[in-house]
Amino acid sequence: EPEVTQTPSHQVTQMGQEVILRCVPISNHLYFYWYRQILGQKVEFLVSFYNNEISEKSEIFDDQFSVERPDGSNFTLKIRSTKLEDSAMYFCASNPQGETDGYTFGSGTRLTVV
Amino acid sequence: AQSVTQLDSQVPVFEEAPVELRCNYSSSVSVYLFWYVQYPNQGLQLLLKYLSGSTLVKGINGFEAEFNKSQTSFHLRKPSVHISDTAEYFCAVKRGTGGGADGLTFGKGTHLIIQP
Repeated sequence: EPEVTQTPSHQVTQMGQEVILRCVPISNHLYFYWYRQILGQKVEFLVSFYNNEISEKSEIFDDQFSVERPDGSNFTLKIRSTKLEDSAMYFCASNPQGETDGYTFGSGTRLTVV
Repeated sequence: AQSVTQLDSQVPVFEEAPVELRCNYSSSVSVYLFWYVQYPNQGLQLLLKYLSGSTLVKGINGFEAEFNKSQTSFHLRKPSVHISDTAEYFCAVKRGTGGGADGLTFGKGTHLIIQP
């Protein structure tokens, strides 16, 4: 069964450093998403991406964050200057095309900011 | 905006007993409803979804859920649980009119603990 792949599974970074989280969505999917889950809290929507541009974003997704699909297969989330409170599990998801389709999630990247 | 409430943060159940995980939602528009399961150190896996039609929805691993519009609920049930069902269960909602760009709004999750 097709999967959404995320790398790395765990990343440790120093406060103030830039970090890039990588995702390979399912190849024929058209919508891509990033979510985060701070330890012990709910999964929160960050951003959706369609046709090479951001479609929707939450209030969490401020100027520190950016997304890109650099080469037609990877989908990346960049955090420019990490803060301690950015420590969380980040999930990538993709969706074939429509609102009635299920979202397929990756296994997540655990980001630890020290 | 939508919101999801999962009242129980933790539900302990004996093996082979039935279980119900509760989910209530709030929305001013029609919604689609989802249940996801997260096994330890893994991603979110779709258990089932309600889009329209029959209010009783069957999913994978023997789970089912019933959409109740008047009570704004979407409780998840399984008649007989197994040790392997130990996991975190998330209820999620999406605007029915929002299109593919809309994200899911999740509840806080319920940790299902199966006791032998």
